[in-house]
Amino acid sequence: DAMVIQNPRYQVTQFGKPVTLSCSQTLNHNVMYWYQQKSSQAPKLLFHYYDKDFNNEADTPDNFQSRRPNTSFCFLDIRSPGLGDAAMYLCATSRTRGSGHEQYFGPGTRLTVT
Amino acid sequence: KQEVTQIPAALSVPEGENLVLNCSFTDSAIYNLQWFRQDPGKGLTSLLLIQSSQREQTSGRLNASLDKSSGRSTLYIAASQPGDSATYLCAVFGGGADGLTFGKGTHLIIQP
Repeated sequence: DAMVIQNPRYQVTQFGKPVTLSCSQTLNHNVMYWYQQKSSQAPKLLFHYYDKDFNNEADTPDNFQSRRPNTSFCFLDIRSPGLGDAAMYLCATSRTRGSGHEQYFGPGTRLTVT
Repeated sequence: KQEVTQIPAALSVPEGENLVLNCSFTDSAIYNLQWFRQDPGKGLTSLLLIQSSQREQTSGRLNASLDKSSGRSTLYIAASQPGDSATYLCAVFGGGADGLTFGKGTHLIIQP
């Protein structure tokens, strides 16, 4: 029944070592989002894909990249993780952009940087 | 830039009480508002979605209201239970942002 799946649930990486987080969805939604949530803070949008169209938030660091090879999968790549990148990373989907569409969230991946 | 504020930041009440969580947003040009629940170390569970044209939504013991013109929403929880203990997040879609803009949440503890 899982609709938005994130792997792994917990990821430990070393300072500066590239890491990739994965998100997949069974909803066939056009839009996929990546949010970052640091401890005791509000989730913050990093970027989103509308179909194959990539949309980066203005304040998302260049260290963060994303790929969407097909409708079902989306990846978050952190090229050189720093200690400040330790956070919960949340993937979400919605049927399309624009008004009224609910966002569905995955369980998140908690990233630790040592 | 849209900003979302949630009051109170934390709340502790005895089991059985009815309670209200508050959310305010600065830009009233929103498409919808969602309330989420987040358990410690976990992802987000959607509780209620209110479209901008709606005034309220209900699901079981939960009732959410929206006053778009004043930039406010409330989440009412009836007959609270210890299992309701979690952080409740309010998020709006619209107001110039491409995704949801979240508040920091209200950390709720229901005492048995």
